[in-house]
Amino acid sequence: QTVVTQEPSFSVSPEGTITLTCGFSSGSVSNNNYPSWYQQTPGQAPRTLIYNTNTRSSGVPDRFSGSILGNKAALTITGAQADDESNYYCAMYVRSGIWVIGGGTKVTVL
Amino acid sequence: QVQLVESGGGVVQPGGSLRLSCAASGFTFSNFGMHWVRQAPGKGLEWVAFIPYNGNNKYYADSVKGRFSVSRDNSKNTLYLQMDSLRSEDTTVYFCVKDGGYFSFDHWGQGTLVTVSS
Repeated sequence: QTVVTQEPSFSVSPEGTITLTCGFSSGSVSNNNYPSWYQQTPGQAPRTLIYNTNTRSSGVPDRFSGSILGNKAALTITGAQADDESNYYCAMYVRSGIWVIGGGTKVTVL
Repeated sequence: QVQLVESGGGVVQPGGSLRLSCAASGFTFSNFGMHWVRQAPGKGLEWVAFIPYNGNNKYYADSVKGRFSVSRDNSKNTLYLQMDSLRSEDTTVYFCVKDGGYFSFDHWGQGTLVTVSS
């Protein structure tokens, strides 16, 4: 069973930079996994931030960027704002017709 | 704009069945694959199922395979999730999600809550 791992929590100062990662419990992430990232605040539906590793969804500020770092996918927030305080989830396409979503990272801006 | 409205959630006993619906509007439904993603209260997201634009070759997470069935009616712009043999761990909010291309999730509905309890 494929498990996608994310840091449980992260703190960042306002205007600071933070990089969240998303990996497999076994093996490396590649562009063929088409990593995508989603932001969710409590009580709300998720919002799509990044797809296809590094493409920002429409309307997403350019302080959000995606990449592959080493053997993991990464989401970087440059110049964090107070309203970036949310839960962030990554999703991976793992094989034909099957996706796995990570456990999420709770980001606190303080 | 894209709208996805789920319905059909509620309380069901363990072992029971429920069918969720998702009414889609604001895009050409028959051109896009659709997903179901769920989230237990206070927990993370879990991908559940995917159905391509034409309804062929349906795909499921191991946790629901053999119990859940995804389908669609392109003439009604509606996505369905038939859930059988429900368990307590199926108690979650179920989101209807439009496939965004590039193997991603695009627009999300607001979700419908399913509670499996005796």
